[in-house]
Amino acid sequence: GENVEQHPSTLSVQEGDSAVIKCTYSDSASNYFPWYKQELGKRPQLIIDIRSNVGEKKDQRIAVTLNKTAKHFSLHITETQPEDSAVYFCAATYLGYKLSFGAGTTVTVRA
Amino acid sequence: DGGITQSPKYLFRKEGQNVTLSCEQNLNHDAMYWYRQDPGQGLRLIYYSQIVNDFQKGDIAEGYSVSREKKESFPLTVTSAQKNPTAFYLCASSTSGGAPYEQYFGPGTRLTVT
Repeated sequence: GENVEQHPSTLSVQEGDSAVIKCTYSDSASNYFPWYKQELGKRPQLIIDIRSNVGEKKDQRIAVTLNKTAKHFSLHITETQPEDSAVYFCAATYLGYKLSFGAGTTVTVRA
Repeated sequence: DGGITQSPKYLFRKEGQNVTLSCEQNLNHDAMYWYRQDPGQGLRLIYYSQIVNDFQKGDIAEGYSVSREKKESFPLTVTSAQKNPTAFYLCASSTSGGAPYEQYFGPGTRLTVT
């Protein structure tokens, strides 16, 4: 099955700086890569996703890049704000139903 | 916080008892899922259902059972055979079809078994 590795496990950044989280996947057939944000005690929520026919996608301060050859994808958050503090999960799937998640990255934005 | 609900928020049980977690959605989604979340391990898929009266095992189905008698409901039973049941359980739903679709999560149930 699909195996997703996520790094780093924790990330502390100064407010206003950028944050980058990287994920690798094992199954070259995977074609959908969502990113979820989970604030403390709350449900995971989708913040951005990318499909395998696209190399990059942006939504305001958030961007995701995909390198199919290397089988890795990354989340970029620019101009970080305190409300960006949360746990971020990457995931991958080719079936749509069986999302395989990374272990998560705890992001702390220091004021 | 409508759309997909889970109850209760916290659940306490003694070892050896079965317990059923509720998940209901009013999003008219065909597909529903159960995940388990443990610290430092991300989310792991327990069971999923693409349509009423049909469901498949995920990666960690042992010790769990589900039913899908109605489109809106997908209850999860944690049986006494589950060796380490204490965890945070998340239910999700999505539309179904050929392309992968966003999964919407419920607020979760934190189960503690002592």
